[in-house]
Amino acid sequence: EEELVESGGDLVKPGGSLRLACVGSGFTFSNAWMSWVRQAPGKGLEWVGRVKSKPNGETTDYAAPVKGRFIISRDDSRNTAYLQMNNLKIEDTGIYHCVVGWYFDLWGRGTLVTVSS
Amino acid sequence: ETVLTQSPGTLSLSPGERATLSCRASQSITANYLAWYQLLSGQAPRLLIYSASIRATGIPDRFSGSGSGTDFTLTISRLEPEDFAVYYCQQYGNSPIYTFGQGTKLEIK
Repeated sequence: EEELVESGGDLVKPGGSLRLACVGSGFTFSNAWMSWVRQAPGKGLEWVGRVKSKPNGETTDYAAPVKGRFIISRDDSRNTAYLQMNNLKIEDTGIYHCVVGWYFDLWGRGTLVTVSS
Repeated sequence: ETVLTQSPGTLSLSPGERATLSCRASQSITANYLAWYQLLSGQAPRLLIYSASIRATGIPDRFSGSGSGTDFTLTISRLEPEDFAVYYCQQYGNSPIYTFGQGTKLEIK
């Protein structure tokens, strides 16, 4: 069975850093393009960014609100994708999901990030 | 960046009625690579439709997607009680940035 499990969410102060992890199973992780999607309280879904597979150059792309602050990476030997979040802002608060592919038919349950002083 | 605008913001209907949700893009979406998701409170989003009109695995046939270019529609032919949720469209054709619409809340009238 295909599964994604996120971890690493926490309460952090503005300006702080946090690293989220996403472990995938039940599919060929090394071929997957991995994205992060977040949902702020009472708000809609927002695509955060993506890392392509190694055969596709392992390149990354980011949404404008996080570009320059967030870094997505992957370790295929661990079937894990990471989201390094730096210089966190209050508006980064939300549930962070990892997802697979171009359209997202597999979602993790998400991990909660709270940015507050 | 391709901006997706969904309408209406809120749709109030009764079970058994037909729902029509709209998603309009600020520029044409390549290959009509547009998806629809359902979000129920406390759950991860569920993929309903991809490539504008292809139902995802396990999705009932009362859900259908249509449209091309910049205008897309999700139709729910006969609303069931479990269909009242928030719906999002997402484009993945205009790389490298994927975008979501702001959502349509489908509520019981």
